[in-house]
Amino acid sequence: QKEVEQDPGPLSVPEGAIVSLNCTYSNSAFQYFMWYRQYSRKGPELLMYTYSSGNKEDGRFTAQVDKSSKYISLFIRDSQPSDSATYLCAMILNRDDKIIFGKGTRLHILP
Amino acid sequence: DVKVTQSSRYLVKRTGEKVFLECVQDMDHENMFWYRQDPGLGLRLIYFSYDVKMKEKGDIPEGYSVSREKKERFSLILESASTNQTSMYLCASSPLGQNPTYEQYFGPGTRLTVT
Repeated sequence: QKEVEQDPGPLSVPEGAIVSLNCTYSNSAFQYFMWYRQYSRKGPELLMYTYSSGNKEDGRFTAQVDKSSKYISLFIRDSQPSDSATYLCAMILNRDDKIIFGKGTRLHILP
Repeated sequence: DVKVTQSSRYLVKRTGEKVFLECVQDMDHENMFWYRQDPGLGLRLIYFSYDVKMKEKGDIPEGYSVSREKKERFSLILESASTNQTSMYLCASSPLGQNPTYEQYFGPGTRLTVT
């Protein structure tokens, strides 16, 4: 079983819709959970991070971690064409460990 | 604003050539990383460094070496380029200390083609 699994998409949704992006993981010891966003021909950039379980909200974005199910989600409300990008989930065990990245989900927001 | 720059956006090299990819960061970060990104395989860690003259192997170090002579600069070297090293190469940096290493800042990438 792979450490982090993420559907590659592409996922196409109309502008204004709520988007749900998800990852599952196998190692229950992961503590830090992140979402990176990568625009075409650019490097990834950190979007949000969460420590342990729970929700975190930042504007139109909400990150959710369910450690009992080993499942993390990123919700985007009122999606915009500028949200079109690849979204990579990522996680680490401890503060100074290397990051384990998912393979990314390509998202297209249709105007 | 943190800035990570990479020496080239696009590079074409021949099989067997020695290739140098340069990365420079301007935020005095201790940690620096080299990844490659391939469709269907995602981001894979090649090498990383926590300090000057210090290096650690990542998940796929074979065929690569690195050099960190100055804090702000981290070089990736392909000793003898092969076609299976055609990829997007991404450099990243992050601060040590209070912040966990989840906060990595990436450069724009170098798309290397080996023919």
